[in-house]
Amino acid sequence: QITLKESGPTLVKPTQTLTLTCTFSGLSLSTSGVGVAWIRQPPGKALEWLALIYWDGEKHYSPSLKTRLTITKDTSKNQVVLTMTNMDPVDTATYYCSHRRAAVVSFDYWGQGTLVTVSS
Amino acid sequence: QSALTQPASVSGSPGQSITISCTGTSSDVGRYNYVSWYQQHPGKAPKLMIYDVSNRPSGVSNRFSGSKSGKTASLTISGLQGEDEADYYCSCYTSSSSYVFGTGTKVTVL
Repeated sequence: QITLKESGPTLVKPTQTLTLTCTFSGLSLSTSGVGVAWIRQPPGKALEWLALIYWDGEKHYSPSLKTRLTITKDTSKNQVVLTMTNMDPVDTATYYCSHRRAAVVSFDYWGQGTLVTVSS
Repeated sequence: QSALTQPASVSGSPGQSITISCTGTSSDVGRYNYVSWYQQHPGKAPKLMIYDVSNRPSGVSNRFSGSKSGKTASLTISGLQGEDEADYYCSCYTSSSSYVFGTGTKVTVL
């Protein structure tokens, strides 16, 4: 049974850096082909893919946000961390982490999401 | 990178079939057979319904089917049921090694 759970601040101020942690179980980021991604959804709006890290450390970012994002993994802790710099009110959203199975180019397990509000 | 284009809403009566389109570009839908579809009920996380254009994960009803032609992918829900009322998003892998989601479609069961 694969489970993922996001954690981090619920409120950040404009210009601050957001750090979110995805803690997972039932999957190993040491397994070839496996990845963990971050996806967000502003209230009432569409999903937006942010970043993905693979078992081998390879990282990919949204072209429009890549200058602000950093994704890292701690395999021993079963965690993936996303940092986003220079937060703005438009970054207010529910942030999800999700699992990418080996050889399947999609996201089959998702966390419950965590709502982050950017406001002074 | 622009979002894939979906109709804002689609509706149908119970038992009917509906189709949701997802239009991309030659850098995503037109290039890769890596289109997936997600169902999202209010306040819930998305659920994978279709991957690699037309494959269903274990446990997903065979009333859901996917296809692709050129730069447009489609999700068809046959035998529409009340529980199918939700938002649906397509997604595709892109030539920049990233993913792009669609604009989302609200499905209403009349």
